[in-house]
Amino acid sequence: EDQVTQSPEALRLQEGESSSLNCSYTVSGLRGLFWYRQDPGKGPEFLFTLYSAGEEKEKERLKATLTKKESFLHITAPKPEDSATYLCAVQAGGSYIPTFGRGTSLIVHP
Amino acid sequence: DADVTQTPRNRITKTGKRIMLECSQTKGHDRMYWYRQDPGLGLRLIYYSFDVKDINKGEISDGYSVSRQAQAKFSLSLESAIPNQTALYFCATSEGTPTDTQYFGPGTRLTVL
Repeated sequence: EDQVTQSPEALRLQEGESSSLNCSYTVSGLRGLFWYRQDPGKGPEFLFTLYSAGEEKEKERLKATLTKKESFLHITAPKPEDSATYLCAVQAGGSYIPTFGRGTSLIVHP
Repeated sequence: DADVTQTPRNRITKTGKRIMLECSQTKGHDRMYWYRQDPGLGLRLIYYSFDVKDINKGEISDGYSVSRQAQAKFSLSLESAIPNQTALYFCATSEGTPTDTQYFGPGTRLTVL
């Protein structure tokens, strides 16, 4: 059974305090790993797709990396507007449907 | 205009009532999905459809039904609503290949009294 575990469940940072969110997974043949951002009461918004170990993608203060067992979402010098829940999802090679983790709730204090 | 729209955005109803949630998309994607989200439980898949003639159950389909009226429209029905169906409901689409990146609608907040 495909499994996705995100940690920590919640993270509080001061503005400018860099940190990382973790997504560990167990799937049979990774087809893709996805990161989404979700603001309260809104739909998840796509951030990145990673396909193979060693791949990295960046967008503004966010950088996603991938190994064979986990992915990290690094947040550099975060701002209060980065506060949101970050969701990770993985899709196995033989599956038509991504499996979502429960998310990490990030709060950045000014 | 938003690529994925959902109506209504908020709905309060009573136990036993029939409810329909609607989703429309302009992304031209064949694949569409319905999820529900509950605090602490994350996103759970209710139904998905890979084309107009294809409907599949997700992990929590009991008490729900769907209709794929066209490539762009996918509706979710609660035949007889119950309080534990109170949740945030999301519709999503994806293009299928080469990646199943999903694009979500804004959500419908459903409360069953």
